[in-house]
Amino acid sequence: GQNIDQPTEMTATEGAIVQINCTYQTSGFNGLFWYQQHAGEAPTFLSYNVLDGLEEKGRFSSFLSRSKGYSYLLLKELQMKDSASYLCAVVDSNYQLIWGAGTKLIIKP
Amino acid sequence: DAMVIQNPRYQVTQFGKPVTLSCSQTLNHNVMYWYQQKSSQAPKLLFHYYDKDFNNEADTPDNFQSRRPNTSFCFLDIRSPGLGDAAMYLCATSSFGGSGANVLTFGAGSRLTVL
Repeated sequence: GQNIDQPTEMTATEGAIVQINCTYQTSGFNGLFWYQQHAGEAPTFLSYNVLDGLEEKGRFSSFLSRSKGYSYLLLKELQMKDSASYLCAVVDSNYQLIWGAGTKLIIKP
Repeated sequence: DAMVIQNPRYQVTQFGKPVTLSCSQTLNHNVMYWYQQKSSQAPKLLFHYYDKDFNNEADTPDNFQSRRPNTSFCFLDIRSPGLGDAAMYLCATSSFGGSGANVLTFGAGSRLTVL
């Protein structure tokens, strides 16, 4: 079967750095997405990785290792507005999106 | 601004009373998706349209139907809602076939409550 694993919940402090991990086992791989979802709202696109390495976009960075089936999302200089769920999703060999259940990130002052 | 619009944002219905949720897009994307998302769970794909081609997920109950009368609009019909169908329903679009990532653009969602 296909599986995406993320921690259910994480807590971090305002101004700090947090790393949210995602491991996957899928039939094939055609890219990995990170989406942010605030409570009661729709997911919004954060990043896309298809090659190994780190993609940096402002305070957010996303890393991919295809050989390890592993990605992480790194959030720097955390702000209260970063409190949200972060969803990892992998595109499989049939170009279907396989979603993780999301990591709820709680930011404390 | 180009966007994906869902109506209604909140829908309350009675057990067994049919419901229709709508989605419109101004992005001219060729693919439209309907997802069901329950609290703290991954979005679950119900079906998607690639242009006019309808693709039903194998485990989508028959109680759920969809229509896409044109490129811009898509509807989700729940024929006889049960308590287990209470969820957020997300419409998304993408432009598949181009180069680069097939990024999904989501609407704000329709939250369904079944009494």
